[in-house]
Formats: sequence, C-alpha cells, structure tokens
Amino acid sequence: SQQGEEDPQALSIQEGENATMNCSYKTSINNLQWYRQNSGRGLVHLILIRSNEREKHSGRLRVTLDTSKKSSSLLITASRAADTASYFCATNGGGGADGLTFGKGTHLIIQP
Amino acid sequence: KAGVTQTPRYLIKTRGQQVTLSCSPISGHRSVSWYQQTPGQGLQFLFEYFSETQRNKGNFPGRFSGRQFSNSRSEMNVSTLELGDSALYLCASSLAPAGGYNEQFFGPGTRLTVL
Repeated sequence: SQQGEEDPQALSIQEGENATMNCSYKTSINNLQWYRQNSGRGLVHLILIRSNEREKHSGRLRVTLDTSKKSSSLLITASRAADTASYFCATNGGGGADGLTFGKGTHLIIQP
Repeated sequence: KAGVTQTPRYLIKTRGQQVTLSCSPISGHRSVSWYQQTPGQGLQFLFEYFSETQRNKGNFPGRFSGRQFSNSRSEMNVSTLELGDSALYLCASSLAPAGGYNEQFFGPGTRLTVL
C-alpha cells in the first residue's frame, strides 16, 4: 500500500531554477528517504532524514521533515538537465515491519 | 565495490508459467529486499531476507516467494504468472536489516512481461 503522496505529480522547470517536491505520509516513521529513478531503471538513494531531524543537506539537495504535519520536502537547487528523473519519498516505520513504503513519485523535467 | 546486480534484466513469459529472478547484493550486505513497481500501484514491498531468513513480507499472494542463500544472494519466484504480474522487479541490499537507519542500495531491476 502507498503511504506517501508526492506533490506535484509532475514538474517542469528551466535549467538553473530550483525544484521543490513535497511528500506527505500517514503513519509514524523511523526515518524518511528520498530516491531518484531514471527512466524505469533502478533507484538511487539520495538522502535519509531521521524522525528527530528537521533539515538535512547533501550537495545541491535540501530535505526538510515536519513530523507534526507528516510531511517532507526535497529541494534541488540550481537544477541541471541530468536531474530529469522521477523522485520518490519512502518512509520506514522502524523495525522493518513492512520494508520501505514509497509514494507514487514526482516526475521532474529540466528544460535546457 | 560492485553494486547490486539482478539477472536477467528482461524476461518475457506467458500466463501460467513460473519465473525465477536473481539478485546478488553488494559484497558484505546481508539484507536483501524485493519490490515490485507497476504504473498503477507504484513501488510495493514484496519481502525482505536477512541471513537466509525472511523477516518481513508485503501484501502479495503466496504465488510470490523467495529465498536467500548463505552467500546472501537471493532469488524470488513467481508461480502461475498472471498478466498483472508484469512489472519491474527491484532488489535492494543493505548491511543490516532494513528498518533501521540503513541505506538500501537498489539494483537495475528485472523487467518482467507476461503475455
């Protein structure tokens, strides 16, 4: 079952602009992770944020987590054509009960 | 270090047949999880193996099964294939059991088409 809902479902921006994607989830979590997938290929892990963290940075990526609102956002700054991909949030409820629960993803298109 | 490998990459089967997919985790990783990805249902958790034991199972029928060998390689089997089983099957490995703060590394997937 899907726990997360990404918003928007699709996003098209110009190269160099910032891209923001949001994720909402339903149950309590241990951590939340963001993944990237290019054209139906394997998933690439981008960043993991623990439930007791509010913000995390990795290169051009910035992730926030608001557990009170059960939401997270992924910001990609200074976007590049190579960032074109689908982005998924995945929640981990802890204890490995049901593996990672993924949202349906945001398809990001960077226009050159 | 080599990444997660999955074989075969593409597979075409007909309804009623069975199929076995293979996953070799990153060296040293003992946890292997399997996911099914379809356009309609998205990414769904199938099961996880750690040290040859199934730790968790998603909400899939018994036609979906798996196992893990002593070298941590894992196989999943789908019997009596149905059209709806057409999907990208992804395997992920991690050092420790999934569920903690362990990053999962995904393979490229096996694209299964059922005709």
